[in-house]
Amino acid sequence: DAKTTQPPSMDCAEGRAANLPCNHSTISGNEYVYWYRQIHSQGPQYIIHGLKNNETNEMASLIITEDRKSSTLILPHATLRDTAVYYCIVRGHSGGGADGLTFGKGTHLIIQP
Amino acid sequence: DGGITQSPKYLFRKEGQNVTLSCEQNLNHDAMYWYRQDPGQGLRLIYYSQIVNDFQKGDIAEGYSVSREKKESFPLTVTSAQKNPTAFYLCASSIGPGRGYSYEQYFGPGTRLTVT
Repeated sequence: DAKTTQPPSMDCAEGRAANLPCNHSTISGNEYVYWYRQIHSQGPQYIIHGLKNNETNEMASLIITEDRKSSTLILPHATLRDTAVYYCIVRGHSGGGADGLTFGKGTHLIIQP
Repeated sequence: DGGITQSPKYLFRKEGQNVTLSCEQNLNHDAMYWYRQDPGQGLRLIYYSQIVNDFQKGDIAEGYSVSREKKESFPLTVTSAQKNPTAFYLCASSIGPGRGYSYEQYFGPGTRLTVT
């Protein structure tokens, strides 16, 4: 699986869009980009995933560059409850999607009031 | 409500004792997982199970054991052979192979184990 690189921490003002970057320059053609977040002392929460096209759901948007070497998770109107560690994970589906994930250290996003 | 339950939230044990952490899900998911998290670190995979009566070692299985006798349950035993058992343990589940390819996993609230 491709390695990902994320900034260790970021700040964002409440009500603004939070843009979290992730580099995955060694991603291969069949690998997906997944995003999870973990609020302090809780279990991680799935946010979104994508292959090539941009994706949007009720939580966030995922923008993947055309060469797929990087992506950005966008929280359009950040609130204090969005303060969490955000994990970017690249994973192929050859294991059927049931053989576990590896979470790095992620980005600690702090929403400032 | 559907979800994953882990109990207890906090667990204290003496060194040398085995301890079993429970994980139950009512999401009708085939696949279940155990992860370990140390302070300031990401999650590491201990064991996973794609179907009842079958399970596979993850990246850090040494000192741990699991069973999967029922679809809903995937208990983890931390044995005395685990050298550094104090950690935050997280259980997760997903739909599983053959029912859709996705790494969308649902996590429980975790059990914080302290061994002294």
